[in-house]
Amino acid sequence: NAGVTQTPKFQVLKTGQSMTLQCAQDMNHEYMSWYRQDPGMGLRLIHYSVGAGITDQGEVPNGYNVSRSTTEDFPLRLLSAAPSQTSVYFCASSYSARGSYNEQFFGPGTRLTVL
Amino acid sequence: AQSVTQPDIHITVSEGASLELRCNYSYGATPYLFWYVQSPGQGLQLLLKYFSGDTLVQGIKGFEAEFKRSQSSFNLRKPSVHWSDAAEYFCAVGAPNSGGYQKVTFGTGTKLQVIP
Repeated sequence: NAGVTQTPKFQVLKTGQSMTLQCAQDMNHEYMSWYRQDPGMGLRLIHYSVGAGITDQGEVPNGYNVSRSTTEDFPLRLLSAAPSQTSVYFCASSYSARGSYNEQFFGPGTRLTVL
Repeated sequence: AQSVTQPDIHITVSEGASLELRCNYSYGATPYLFWYVQSPGQGLQLLLKYFSGDTLVQGIKGFEAEFKRSQSSFNLRKPSVHWSDAAEYFCAVGAPNSGGYQKVTFGTGTKLQVIP
């Protein structure tokens, strides 16, 4: 199993550009999520999905879109990049979002810089 | 809504010394509690978790944590630290939202430095 994979590892954008961060998992996990990590702020939830076709907003959703057309993939789209979106982005998945099965498995992260 | 506080931003310990990282949570009922570790440039890895039962939980890499309901704490401990334990440690609390799905909130992290 590859676990949770993310591409790209690094990305530099100019203000106003759009891009998609890719996330895939091969564990048949029901729950997938996107976090951003900023110094001194821990991880903050951007969006999450509890199954194919079902997504919801997290703590900091503005400026980001997601979709979940398959169980495996959960891409994060930046619509019009802003310097405030400079961060490290982590994708995570877990077997279920209910009960005791919600240990999350994290990808290696994408370091995004917006100039 | 739940919250979690890690009061120590940075801790330095000598190799071989004992370690305790503090975590306090706020939630009306018994939450799900986690400790994750993040090595430099890596994603997060689960160290241990508490859902119910025995309040002393054993994890990987020789770590343990104790749930204390009266203090709303879930402190992480290790009796003898190794240089490879240098990393950032995150406490997290999970609780169900209105839809019954777990919402996990992370603390701001404690960075551990290990000196020879």
